[in-house]
Amino acid sequence: SYVLTQPPSVSVAPGETAMINCGGNNIGSRSVHWYRQRPGQAPVLVIYYDRDRPSEIPERFSGSNSGNTATLTISRVEAGDEADYFCQVWDTSGDHPVFGGGTKLTVL
Amino acid sequence: QVQLVQSGPEVKKPGASMKVSCRASGYNFVRYNIAWVRQAPGQGLEWMGWISTYTGSTNYGQNVQGRVTMTTDTSTATVYMELKSLRSDDTAVYFCARARRYYDSSGHSDAFDIWGQGTMVTVSS
Repeated sequence: SYVLTQPPSVSVAPGETAMINCGGNNIGSRSVHWYRQRPGQAPVLVIYYDRDRPSEIPERFSGSNSGNTATLTISRVEAGDEADYFCQVWDTSGDHPVFGGGTKLTVL
Repeated sequence: QVQLVQSGPEVKKPGASMKVSCRASGYNFVRYNIAWVRQAPGQGLEWMGWISTYTGSTNYGQNVQGRVTMTTDTSTATVYMELKSLRSDDTAVYFCARARRYYDSSGHSDAFDIWGQGTMVTVSS
């Protein structure tokens, strides 16, 4: 089955740019979705269809996807961005989602 | 507003069954599939299955196949997830999520745009 690989953790100082990668075989041929999950809360969709943002998500969040890597970029990082971030694609053969293992973003 | 509201926490003994509900409001219930995703303590997201709220058809994950049943009640806009023969490793927060469908070159790709608040299920003797 299809596997998505994320780094366990990423650290960034406030005001800097955080980049969280999601690796998968030819992931650029699939649509990638990203979720933010704060402690004790449900996940929230922050990027869908590689690079689109729900209206309530700030423009600081952006996405890209090419080759074997998709990337979630958070500009001007704030303390409130500290959370776990998960990538997700769809396994068309099994007709089900596949999640990455998650990346804990720490704001220093 | 658009929301999914789940039933409350449960504590179960090994071998017992559990049934979690997920009530939708604020949108046309039958237009979107509902998926169930669980998260063991300190772990990532694990897909369990999804149900078509329109047809009632299901697709279950191999991790719970044979133990899980998902049903839908359109009269109350509620989806149910029943898990039997509970084990200690079923201890997790269980989420329902609305699946929004996008189409791409490989077919379709669903994203989960609305999530329930989660239901903590503890399996312990």
